[in-house]
Amino acid sequence: NAGVTQTPKFQVLKTGQSMTLQCAQDMNHEYMSWYRQDPGMGLRLIHYSVGAGITDQGEVPNGYNVSRSTTEDFPLRLLSAAPSQTSVYFCASSYAGGGEAFFGQGTRLTVV
Amino acid sequence: AQSVTQPDIHITVSEGASLELRCNYSYGATPYLFWYVQSPGQGLQLLLKYFSGDTLVQGIKGFEAEFKRSQSSFNLRKPSVHWSDAAEYFCAVANILTGGGNKLTFGTGTQLKVEL
Repeated sequence: NAGVTQTPKFQVLKTGQSMTLQCAQDMNHEYMSWYRQDPGMGLRLIHYSVGAGITDQGEVPNGYNVSRSTTEDFPLRLLSAAPSQTSVYFCASSYAGGGEAFFGQGTRLTVV
Repeated sequence: AQSVTQPDIHITVSEGASLELRCNYSYGATPYLFWYVQSPGQGLQLLLKYFSGDTLVQGIKGFEAEFKRSQSSFNLRKPSVHWSDAAEYFCAVANILTGGGNKLTFGTGTQLKVEL
């Protein structure tokens, strides 16, 4: 049982480049979300989805896009990377209704 | 809006000593509360959770937490710390969505160092 899988684990981008962070879960969870972790700030919610075809913004959505075409996958797109997006990104999933969130291992992104 | 405060950024304890990590929350209704642990370079692992019922909850690795509504607190405790407990600990409160799922609001974390 793989749980929540994120790829890549590490990435370096140049300012202005675009990329997609992949997230897949095999637990048939309805709810998926993306967080970014910055030193001294904990984890902050970027975007979330309560099911296929349904997404919404979190606390820090600017500069990021998401879509959810299947239950399993929830990719995060950076349209034009900026140094302020240097961070560690975590994907999480859970059953609907408040259950435990399961986290991936994270993607460490550096924008130069 | 919900919020979580972890007032201690760093804590150092000796191996075998007791531990208490503080967490205060702000939430308009009965909160769903969590403690997660993060080892260096790793994702977050759930230690324990409180949804309702008994206010003293037991978790993995010998941790426990007590929900105190009157103090808006959910402090994490362990009677005897092991060197392997050195990690960063996050308290979180969940906003349960009417459409399902839970939006977690995290505290800023407490870095635990264990001296041998």
